[in-house]
Amino acid sequence: RKEVEQDPGPFNVPEGATVAFNCTYSNSASQSFFWYRQDCRKEPKLLMSVYSSGNEDGRFTAQLNRASQYISLLIRDSKLSDSATYLCVVTGMDSSYKLIFGSGTRLLVRP
Amino acid sequence: GAVVSQHPSRVICKSGTSVKIECRSLDFQATTMFWYRQFPKQSLMLMATSNEGSKATYEQGVEKDKFLINHASLTLSTLTVTSAHPEDSSFYICSARPLAMVAKLFFGSGTQLSVL
Repeated sequence: RKEVEQDPGPFNVPEGATVAFNCTYSNSASQSFFWYRQDCRKEPKLLMSVYSSGNEDGRFTAQLNRASQYISLLIRDSKLSDSATYLCVVTGMDSSYKLIFGSGTRLLVRP
Repeated sequence: GAVVSQHPSRVICKSGTSVKIECRSLDFQATTMFWYRQFPKQSLMLMATSNEGSKATYEQGVEKDKFLINHASLTLSTLTVTSAHPEDSSFYICSARPLAMVAKLFFGSGTQLSVL
């Protein structure tokens, strides 16, 4: 079983749509959780951290459910520029802050 | 913000040659750097953790004699792919963790390696 699992997509949505991505992780001792965005053949860029209380950054809302080991990302009013691959990321158990990446969910926003 | 410079951005080489990739933290000191590899349509897979002044820690399944990592200073780590073969063709990317911000990681822009 992969440590971090995501639906690969692609999610093909029209501009303005709301889209939700899900992610599950296998290690209950994981400490920190993130969503990254990666454009084709570029480095991943941090989108937002994820907290149990839920957090919002503009059109983006992230949620963590530790009991279910489940992370979500909601994008509202999607823009063409949101087209990218969204990576669910958790850190390992130790203090090294190794990032463990999911394989990503591809989003295509069409006009 | 903090900048990590990775060079070269693209390498095309013949099978059997060695390729060195550099990762520099330009405006901060990094005790720890991580090297990842990403095959098409797959996730970034951690290859090794590099600590300044000590031997790198390799993930399971990564050959340390093939992927040589040197972290001789607080601002530079290098990954050398020795005797590269076509199956080593991949996107290699480094990330660096600043001394002063242990929970932050900054990524290089990646190196696309193509072995003919």
